[in-house]
Amino acid sequence: EVQLLQSGGDLVQPGGSLRLSCAASGFSFSSYAMNWVRQAPGKGLEWVSATSSSGSGTYYSDSVKGRFTVSRDNSKNTLYLQMNSLRAEDTAVYYCAKTMGTWYFFDYWGQGTLVTVSS
Amino acid sequence: EIVLTQSPGTLSLSPGERATLSCRASQSVSSSYLAWYQQKPGQAPRLLIYGASSRATGIPDRFSGSGSGTDFTLTISRLEPEDFAVYYCQLYDSSPRAYTFGQGTKLEIK
Repeated sequence: EVQLLQSGGDLVQPGGSLRLSCAASGFSFSSYAMNWVRQAPGKGLEWVSATSSSGSGTYYSDSVKGRFTVSRDNSKNTLYLQMNSLRAEDTAVYYCAKTMGTWYFFDYWGQGTLVTVSS
Repeated sequence: EIVLTQSPGTLSLSPGERATLSCRASQSVSSSYLAWYQQKPGQAPRLLIYGASSRATGIPDRFSGSGSGTDFTLTISRLEPEDFAVYYCQLYDSSPRAYTFGQGTKLEIK
């Protein structure tokens, strides 16, 4: 059974940093691209970042480019999102999501972790 | 950047009725790159349809997707109580690599 177990969400002050983790099991983690998708309170879904299966390719939305860094440790089956220079508008539930065999869609999602940016 | 516009914003129907949800792209896209997700309160989204018309694993056959070009449709043939949720369409863009979601359609019990 595919499982994505997230951790790391917290309350952080504007300008602060936070690292999210997503521990994967039940599939060959190193074979799949992985993503982060967020959802602000009461709002829709917004793609944040993606990383290739090896981690050599990383991609970001314009809203987080230069502030967030996605990485993965295939030896630990874990995906990370390092978030720096956090802003109030980054407040959201963050989901990690596995891509299908192609890059196109997200077939499994983590349970989500809440990041609140507030003073 | 391609924009996905979903309509209606809210759809009020009764169990047993047929639901038709629309997703319109701001320019023509490949149907291979279009998906639909269901999200219930407090839960992560669930993949329903990919490639515009293929059902994901475990999705009941009352869910179907269709469309091409700029207009795509998710149809739920006969609503069950558990189908009342928010539905999102999603598009993959290869250049640059990015993903876009529609704003969602809330399907509520009438």
